[in-house]
Amino acid sequence: EVQLLESGGGLVQPGGSLRLSCAASGFTFSSYGLSWVRQAPGRGLEWVSVISVSGGSTSYADSVKGRFTISGDNSKNTLYLQMNSLRAEDTAVYYCAKEGYGGVTINWGQGTLVTVSS
Amino acid sequence: DIQMTQSPSTLSASVGDRVTITCRASQSISTWLAWYQQKPGKAPKLLIYKASSLESGVPSEFSGSGSGTEFTLTISSLQPDDFATYYCQQYNSYPYTFGQGTKLEIK
Repeated sequence: EVQLLESGGGLVQPGGSLRLSCAASGFTFSSYGLSWVRQAPGRGLEWVSVISVSGGSTSYADSVKGRFTISGDNSKNTLYLQMNSLRAEDTAVYYCAKEGYGGVTINWGQGTLVTVSS
Repeated sequence: DIQMTQSPSTLSASVGDRVTITCRASQSISTWLAWYQQKPGKAPKLLIYKASSLESGVPSEFSGSGSGTEFTLTISSLQPDDFATYYCQQYNSYPYTFGQGTKLEIK
């Protein structure tokens, strides 16, 4: 069974940094695209970033490009999202997700809340 | 970036009704479109992929259609468990983008 367990969320001041982790199990970590999707309180879903763990290729939404970095550790089966220069508008639940057939997002974690506030 | 536009934003319906939600892409995405259902406080759940393929375990009352830039999600007979928010997402090219969502409410 695929499991994705996010951690690392919390309260951070504007301009600060935070690193989210996503522990993956139940599948071959390096064989799938893994992504982060976020949802601000009361708002819709926003795709944030993706990594092909085997090839190392990455892509980012314009809203986080240059501030966020996605990475994966095959030895730990863990996905990361390093978030720098955080802004109030980055406040959201961040979901870790696994891609499947042709790139569709099939599996989701339960989410971790990031709050950017002074 | 490809923009996805869903309509309506809110839909009021009754148990047993047939409902349709529309999603339009700003450029052709072939059939690289997915539909998700989300309930409050929960992660989204995949319903439909490749525009019309039903994800395993999803009830047959859900169906999807379309290609290019116009897509629809149809629920043939609303069940009490279907009242939720629905999102389309294109996965034709990065950055993948979602529609703004359709909240399906009980009339």
